[in-house]
Amino acid sequence: AQSVTQLDSQVPVFEEAPVELRCNYSSSVSVYLFWYVQYPNQGLQLLLKYLSGSTLVKGINGFEAEFNKSQTSFHLRKPSVHISDTAEYFCAVSDPAGNQFYFGTGTSLTVIP
Amino acid sequence: DAGVTQSPTHLIKTRGQQVTLRCSPKSGHDTVSWYQQALGQGPQFIFQYYEEEERQRGNFPDRFSGHQFPNYSSELNVNALLLGDSALYLCASSRDRDVSYTFGSGTRLTVV
Repeated sequence: AQSVTQLDSQVPVFEEAPVELRCNYSSSVSVYLFWYVQYPNQGLQLLLKYLSGSTLVKGINGFEAEFNKSQTSFHLRKPSVHISDTAEYFCAVSDPAGNQFYFGTGTSLTVIP
Repeated sequence: DAGVTQSPTHLIKTRGQQVTLRCSPKSGHDTVSWYQQALGQGPQFIFQYYEEEERQRGNFPDRFSGHQFPNYSSELNVNALLLGDSALYLCASSRDRDVSYTFGSGTRLTVV
């Protein structure tokens, strides 16, 4: 079985500052990795995904993440955040069949003006 | 192009009652998954439907059941509601074996 640990439940950051949201996973098989964003009272929107190939993945809204197999991590980064980035961020894994996603408990990103 | 549509958006039920939630997948998608998201938690997988059959199931009791129709839309049924069933229920659709899921905005179920 797979599991995901998001190391920070809340991350406050000033506007235009860089941010990193941390994610570690556990799995006995190869996995696909994802980051989703959830705005209040909305569903999940895909930010980016790692399936194979380059370990640096670029997503929407200026976000990127790096897959590190030896450290079983998939941390999300943005060089300069905006007020509109305030939201809940979820890291998730799935096995290659993609039938079931395992989500972390989420990180609440608050951008301070 | 409409995305995933869920109905209703909110509902309140009494403990012990039964509830049905509905989901219309994104156009071109044939696979539907359901997730339960309790307050302050990440979504948890309930089950996935493909070709009108349950293909995979998470760790949820038999009180949770589902159905997929020939037009790929889906229902989630929960019997004998418990207070702990209060959550946001998310539907996600994709093409078969494609891991790029599209999520709906969810149905907020409150059990009182």
